[in-house]
Amino acid sequence: SQKIEQNSEALNIQEGKTATLTCNYTNYSPAYLQWYRQDPGRGPVFLLLIRENEKEKRKERLKVTFDTTLKQSLFHITASQPADSATYLCAPTGEGGKLIFGQGTELSVKP
Amino acid sequence: DTAVSQTPKYLVTQMGNDKSIKCEQNLGHDTMYWYKQDSKKFLKIMFSYNNKELIINETVPNRFSPKSPDKAHLNLHINSLELGDSAVYFCASTRGQGEQYFGPGTRLTVT
Repeated sequence: SQKIEQNSEALNIQEGKTATLTCNYTNYSPAYLQWYRQDPGRGPVFLLLIRENEKEKRKERLKVTFDTTLKQSLFHITASQPADSATYLCAPTGEGGKLIFGQGTELSVKP
Repeated sequence: DTAVSQTPKYLVTQMGNDKSIKCEQNLGHDTMYWYKQDSKKFLKIMFSYNNKELIINETVPNRFSPKSPDKAHLNLHINSLELGDSAVYFCASTRGQGEQYFGPGTRLTVT
């Protein structure tokens, strides 16, 4: 069955450092992959989408890579800020275009 | 203006009752979804509708019945509620297969 694993449930880093989150998937080949941010008590908010023929995508301090050979996506936040603290969800596409979400990584950025 | 709205935000009810959750989007999207997020934070798709037509129906008990009166609305009716139905339910919408816009969620507690 299709499976998504995000590197850790929690990641603690110091303000100003780069946060790197990992998403690994198995048993399928998604045409694209999305990353979302979720704050407590709120719905997920879309951040970035990367297609299988794109190696890298950037948006302001965010960068996503997509390695279809390794079946892995990396999500980077550079110059992290306490306001970046949230849970980040990886979502490769599954059959029929549906998103299959990972369990999320809770990022905490300390001042 | 709220893009995707859900009512109610909180729902506390007893086992065996029937309840409904409503969702509306004003984005002009043609595809809407229901997701369930359990206590372990896994976000799983339940249903997807495209222009009022059921597209995705995951392995969900038939006590759950979605209804889409028009492409801006997708409601979820749950019969004979069980303790295990307690979760946060999110509605989402999209145009095509791109980024999804999520509602604020409905926290359902079954006692």
